[in-house]
Amino acid sequence: DIQMTQSPSSLSASVGDRVTITCRASQSISNFLNWYQQKPGKAPRLLIFAASSWQNGVPSRFSGSGSGTEFTLTIRGLQPEDFATYYCQQSYSPPFTFGPGTRVDIK
Amino acid sequence: QLVESGGGLVRPGGSLRLSCAASGFTFRSYGMNWVRQAPGKGPEWVASISANSDRSDYADSVKGRFTISRDNPKNSLYLQMSSLRVDDTGVYFCATEGLGYSEGSDFPLFDHWGQGMLVTVSS
Repeated sequence: DIQMTQSPSSLSASVGDRVTITCRASQSISNFLNWYQQKPGKAPRLLIFAASSWQNGVPSRFSGSGSGTEFTLTIRGLQPEDFATYYCQQSYSPPFTFGPGTRVDIK
Repeated sequence: QLVESGGGLVRPGGSLRLSCAASGFTFRSYGMNWVRQAPGKGPEWVASISANSDRSDYADSVKGRFTISRDNPKNSLYLQMSSLRVDDTGVYFCATEGLGYSEGSDFPLFDHWGQGMLVTVSS
């Protein structure tokens, strides 16, 4: 199975900040990388697929980049509703494994 | 919309059947998945089933103990869980497996999720 790691595991930021989260795969997954946002008590919400393509309705302040084994999710101009946990997921090879998450909370 | 039901408290070694009722989309056209999340952990894919049930797959951690199935005329997905263990505890989500199109290729993704159902395995 392909293993996914994320860094940092948590971060504190202020409204308006730029935040960058890194996700790494244990082998090359081309650009088969999804990003999800999850708030407490809720299901994950798909933000980004194919490493950099927005899911319908996702604000443009979220952006993704990367290919191969290293990927980033950037949030430009953090908004109050963005405080959540973010997960990456590889969809290159089943099982479609998730990363352990990065929690973004208020500084 | 996806709505799970059937969760609860069960003893180790026991069984439980989860259901996921789908509405508002053409259920029979989508592959479906069960994903679980242990407290404080990331999501873990559990099982998948193709749109017409001709293919299913399981995580190694549940293979031989869990069975995924679906009833397309009833717009329903199921997960039969047996020989439950303490480490099966978590919130179980059903999720549609869609495809995102980008730069000439299709990319698998989990685009719609249920609200989740807590399964607690404890003596």
